[in-house]
Amino acid sequence: SQQGEEDPQALSIQEGENATMNCSYKTSINNLQWYRQNSGRGLVHLILIRSNEREKHSGRLRVTLDTSKKSSSLLITASRAADTASYFCATALISSGSARQLTFGSGTQLTVLP
Amino acid sequence: DAGVIQSPRHEVTEMGQEVTLRCKPISGHDYLFWYRQTMMRGLELLIYFNNNVPIDDSGMPEDRFSAKMPNASFSTLKIQPSEPRDSAVYFCASRPSNSPLHFGNGTRLTVT
Repeated sequence: SQQGEEDPQALSIQEGENATMNCSYKTSINNLQWYRQNSGRGLVHLILIRSNEREKHSGRLRVTLDTSKKSSSLLITASRAADTASYFCATALISSGSARQLTFGSGTQLTVLP
Repeated sequence: DAGVIQSPRHEVTEMGQEVTLRCKPISGHDYLFWYRQTMMRGLELLIYFNNNVPIDDSGMPEDRFSAKMPNASFSTLKIQPSEPRDSAVYFCASRPSNSPLHFGNGTRLTVT
């Protein structure tokens, strides 16, 4: 089963508005990452937040992490048509192996209307 | 930096045929991952390598699937024999230690 689940599954907004996507997960994590996927392309890393961090910014992106609620949110401010894509959260589990694997959620499809 | 390169971009084959997907990771990345993406299951990790050695293949669905990494610059994912339910987009990704993933643009496989 997937570790992360995004909410909503789909979001449609007007250009210039803010978009907020949420991610919930089930087990303890080392870090949580957000990726974007444009249609027909591979995923692109956006931002990483570690388990001991509560908020992180990168340009128009703001990510929060609440480990007590096992949830994260991604805020895109002043959205643009080019932000239209699917957004995935991915959790890096604290595993006994030598590498931490990423488990991806089901994604939020964001459509920004011009 | 050319990024992770996958070939072919599209593959259409008949059930029962052998399919080989190829991946060239980013130079210097010591981890390589194969993922499969479908509408029903989302993005699933199939197998990953560290320094060319397979570490975890628990996500490989069946013995029909096999993956190799003969050197640091090349990996293959083979399906033999292929079945219609294998139809999906297969992604290769690589990364250095403790860094985010870099994905290729995927191979869209259709098995008829």
